[in-house]
Amino acid sequence: GENVEQHPSTLSVQEGDSAVIKCTYSDSASNYFPWYKQELGKRPQLIIDIRSNVGEKKDQRIAVTLNKTAKHFSLHITETQPEDSAVYFCAAKRGTYKYIFGTGTRLKVLA
Amino acid sequence: KAGVTQTPRYLIKTRGQQVTLSCSPISGHRSVSWYQQTPGQGLQFLFEYFSETQRNKGNFPGRFSGRQFSNSRSEMNVSTLELGDSALYLCASSPLGEWGEQFFGPGTRLTVL
Repeated sequence: GENVEQHPSTLSVQEGDSAVIKCTYSDSASNYFPWYKQELGKRPQLIIDIRSNVGEKKDQRIAVTLNKTAKHFSLHITETQPEDSAVYFCAAKRGTYKYIFGTGTRLKVLA
Repeated sequence: KAGVTQTPRYLIKTRGQQVTLSCSPISGHRSVSWYQQTPGQGLQFLFEYFSETQRNKGNFPGRFSGRQFSNSRSEMNVSTLELGDSALYLCASSPLGEWGEQFFGPGTRLTVL
């Protein structure tokens, strides 16, 4: 079946450094790739997404890149801050099919 | 617009009982998905309803069922509860079937004793 692999499962960075989280999907027909941030005790919230007709998207300190050939997409957070500490989930979706989520990355930003 | 709401927020049941959870999507959203979240398993997809029809289904046993009403509100039911059903159950709504951003509710924390 379809799956999304996400790495690393935990990531610790110093405040101000960059963080990169990577996901690989199996369904080559996937065309929508969102990233969610879930803070402790809160609901997942969409932070950025990308569609298959775009290779890169940026929103302030956050960027996502997509490599359709490799079936690989990544989340980049620059100038990390303590409030970036959370669990991040990637997902892949094809048309009206279900979302397939990665297993999550716990990011810790050390002050 | 009001966000996705879920009731109840917390629930304690015993093995063998059944439970019904409710989700009210954002007004105008026709798609409602349900997820089970446990510490070691991340977000596991249960099912999705769109215009009162189950459109997608995850790999959960038949004890897990759901439905959607004409006003897009959705319920999920778990019968014959097992200890392993203890989890946070999240619902999410989307305005469109294919491209709409998915908005999550706060979840229902189910504990099975």
